Amino acid sequence: NAGVTQTPKFRILKIGQSMTLQCTQDMNHNYMYWYRQDPGMGLKLIYYSVGAGITDKGEVPNGYNVSRSTTEDFPLRLELAAPSQTSVYFCASSYPSRLAGLTGELFFGEGSRLTVL
Amino acid sequence: EDKVVQSPLSLVVHEGDTVTLNCSYEVTNFRSLLWYKQEKKAPTFLFMLTSSGIEKKSGRLSSILDKKELFSILNITATQTGDSAVYLCAVGGEETSGSRLTFGEGTQLTVNP
Repeated sequence: NAGVTQTPKFRILKIGQSMTLQCTQDMNHNYMYWYRQDPGMGLKLIYYSVGAGITDKGEVPNGYNVSRSTTEDFPLRLELAAPSQTSVYFCASSYPSRLAGLTGELFFGEGSRLTVL
Repeated sequence: EDKVVQSPLSLVVHEGDTVTLNCSYEVTNFRSLLWYKQEKKAPTFLFMLTSSGIEKKSGRLSSILDKKELFSILNITATQTGDSAVYLCAVGGEETSGSRLTFGEGTQLTVNP
């Protein structure tokens, strides 16, 4: 059972370049999320999605875009990379907890370490 | 805006010690509080708490929630070097439609032999 898979694991970008972080899950979860984690800090929500075709901004969405064309995939795009986007990015998914009114356990990918020089 | 504050930010202990990690929160229409352990990669789930005063236990780890005072604690007894990690607290609220969590900064726990 693969769970949540992120690619690439590591990437170095030059300022102004663009790239897409891929995320796919095979647990049929409705909810998917992108977080970033800076050194010594907690996780900050970038974008999230409650289902295919629906996305919404989190705490720190500037400089990023997402799409959710299928239940399985939730790619994160950086259009004009900046040094401030150097971070570790985590994709996560969770059960359709809306029925229970609770935020369920998040299942995380292994993370993607991005460096912008 | 939801807010989660963890303390201490870092802690160094010796094997066998007992530690208590704290998490306080301000969230609109609280729904759940989750604890995660993070060792150099993705966070792994420990506990989810929704009701006050009910302790959750897993081996040497336990956690309890106080919804009146808006905090939770995570206890680790008889610590081992394998407990060294960042412990993250996260809170879900109604304002977020039960669909996302706000994380604290984490507590870096180091257990020395």
